[in-house]
Amino acid sequence: DGGITQSPKYLFRKEGQNVTLSCEQNLNHDAMYWYRQDPGQGLRLIYYSQIVNDFQKGDIAEGYSVSREKKESFPLTVTSAQKNPTAFYLCATGGTRKNNEQFFGPGTRLTVL
Amino acid sequence: AQKITQTQPGMFVQEKEAVTLDCTYDTSDPSYGLFWYKQPSSGEMIFLIYQGSYDQQNATEGRYSLNFQKARKSANLVISASQLGDSAMYFCAMREGRIRINNDMRFGAGTRLTVKP
Repeated sequence: DGGITQSPKYLFRKEGQNVTLSCEQNLNHDAMYWYRQDPGQGLRLIYYSQIVNDFQKGDIAEGYSVSREKKESFPLTVTSAQKNPTAFYLCATGGTRKNNEQFFGPGTRLTVL
Repeated sequence: AQKITQTQPGMFVQEKEAVTLDCTYDTSDPSYGLFWYKQPSSGEMIFLIYQGSYDQQNATEGRYSLNFQKARKSANLVISASQLGDSAMYFCAMREGRIRINNDMRFGAGTRLTVKP
């Protein structure tokens, strides 16, 4: 099946630890995005990548890092520098359909203990 | 500055009735796209409908239609014949620039819709 997978679904982290969230896609889409969603709020863009080996900061990149070594993968690392990392993280891809809508993965809920 | 505004934090509708979810946007780019997504309690984001800034007609997708008023910069979502499964958060989003470019999207704060039996 074509789609976007994110793992794990739930993640718990101790304060001060780095943690990496996985995002894999087999849709052959060039663009990939990471969003953060806090309870009762909309999505805010963390990082995005339009092509392999290239990525740009979004609105809230501080405390996060990404890599794009393969077209299929866009992992997000939440570093200890992120002061309030507890949130729901959504990965998305952008295709080449007429509308260029973004397709979303199921999300990872990160909780810092 | 907030580019997408959804002024209704929560809405209630009776099953089988129609409901309108408001969205206003702000852009100086003549080329843009407007999107609506549904987010059930499971958290996934489901694409519902799209409207391009140059589209002459309002978009429709099944029970969803988009009331696009370009001069007023509004793109309201209309859901006809509401069903219990429509209960969810709904987000309006905008992408600026030419459609073929993978520019990032801006999302509104969302509206929580509850359908009453």
